[in-house]
Amino acid sequence: GQQVMQIPQYQHVQEGEDFTTYCNSSTTLSNIQWYKQRPGGHPVFLIQLVKSGEVKKQKRLTFQFGEAKKNSSLHITATQTTDVGTYFCAGLAGTASKLTFGTGTRLQVTL
Amino acid sequence: GAVVSQHPSRVICKSGTSVKIECRSLDFQATTMFWYRQFPKKSLMLMATSNEGSKATYEQGVEKDKFLINHASLTLSTLTVTSAHPEDSSFYICSARARWAGPYNEQFFGPGTRLTVL
Repeated sequence: GQQVMQIPQYQHVQEGEDFTTYCNSSTTLSNIQWYKQRPGGHPVFLIQLVKSGEVKKQKRLTFQFGEAKKNSSLHITATQTTDVGTYFCAGLAGTASKLTFGTGTRLQVTL
Repeated sequence: GAVVSQHPSRVICKSGTSVKIECRSLDFQATTMFWYRQFPKKSLMLMATSNEGSKATYEQGVEKDKFLINHASLTLSTLTVTSAHPEDSSFYICSARARWAGPYNEQFFGPGTRLTVL
């Protein structure tokens, strides 16, 4: 079945440093979504990417969708303590309407 | 808008009992609801997809007689864990896709239910 892997599993940065998480799917995706889950919370939708090579920005967050639509990345510039949480990518393949979540990257930010 | 609630938020039960978890879309109609299970520090694993008025579609390896799903209306889906055992202890999260959204649109997640089976 479809697998979506993320690296790294965990990253600890100091506030102000940049952070990137990479998402790789075993199959071509029709679109990819990113979610953030704070400790003890539930996933919250961040963004959706649909087009090959698409790049979207949300303030300090930059999202990319690979040309082959099998990988994606999330880059955070100048992290803040409020960025702490686990970031999940989630992909839709073909005409399927169900999301396959990535393994997640847990981000810890300290002062 | 697009708020999803779950009840209860936490439940502790004895082994062998059944537990019902409710998932409601509060301010929108959801044609499709999804049930996930999440172990500590792990990803979300889709258990089943529930469409209003029809039988749920279960993922491979999920026992449909163990995890009963009912989607009686456009705003309510329930998950019943029957004859719960300690290995069923987990964080159960539902999500809903709005009726006005296309099949590729975002899902709105409930706050989750933490089940502990003693």
